Amino acid sequence: DIQMTQSPSTLSASVGDRVTITCRASQGISTWLAWYQQKPGKAPNILIYKSSSLESGVPSRFSGSGSGTEFTLTISSLQPDDSATYYCQHYSSSYPAFGQGTKVEIK
Amino acid sequence: EVELMESGGALVQPGGSLRLSCGASGFTMTSHAMSWVRLAPGKGLQWVSALRGNGQTTSYADSVKGRFTIYRDDSNNTLYLEMTSLKVEDTAVYYCARGPPLWTSVAYFDSWGQGTLVTVSA
Repeated sequence: DIQMTQSPSTLSASVGDRVTITCRASQGISTWLAWYQQKPGKAPNILIYKSSSLESGVPSRFSGSGSGTEFTLTISSLQPDDSATYYCQHYSSSYPAFGQGTKVEIK
Repeated sequence: EVELMESGGALVQPGGSLRLSCGASGFTMTSHAMSWVRLAPGKGLQWVSALRGNGQTTSYADSVKGRFTIYRDDSNNTLYLEMTSLKVEDTAVYYCARGPPLWTSVAYFDSWGQGTLVTVSA
């Protein structure tokens, strides 16, 4: 099975900062990767699919890139509402898997 | 508007059984793959099981294979997860999640329910 590894596990940044989260797959997954945001007590919310496609209604400060085994989620200008845990997820097989999550805190 | 509503979560003893339900409105499950995803306390999201749009093809995470069964009732547009031989480590909030339109195989998840809590404890 394909394993997903995110880094860092936590990060703390200031409002307006550019933030980057990395996700690595244990084998090539083309661009079959999605990113989610989850806030405490709430369901996850899709941000990005197919590595770089922005889901409708998601702010344009979120962007994704990558292919094969290395991917990034970038928040171009961090906002207070972006405090959350972010997950990557591959869907290159019938056995999708999530990364372990990255908690983003606002300084 | 797409809505998913889970129910059936409860406190159950180790070795016990439970059935979760996920009612859908605003779309027809036969046109989407549906999955169950869980979030255990202090852990990250874990995909549990999926049912393709054809209603026949299933897949399971190794940790639940042979113990959990996913199925669907098309007459009331409801997804189920039958859980048996429950273990303490199955304790989690269980979400049902919808795959995107035109994808009848497992993909990403564009809509989620609010979750239902399963606690396995003596």
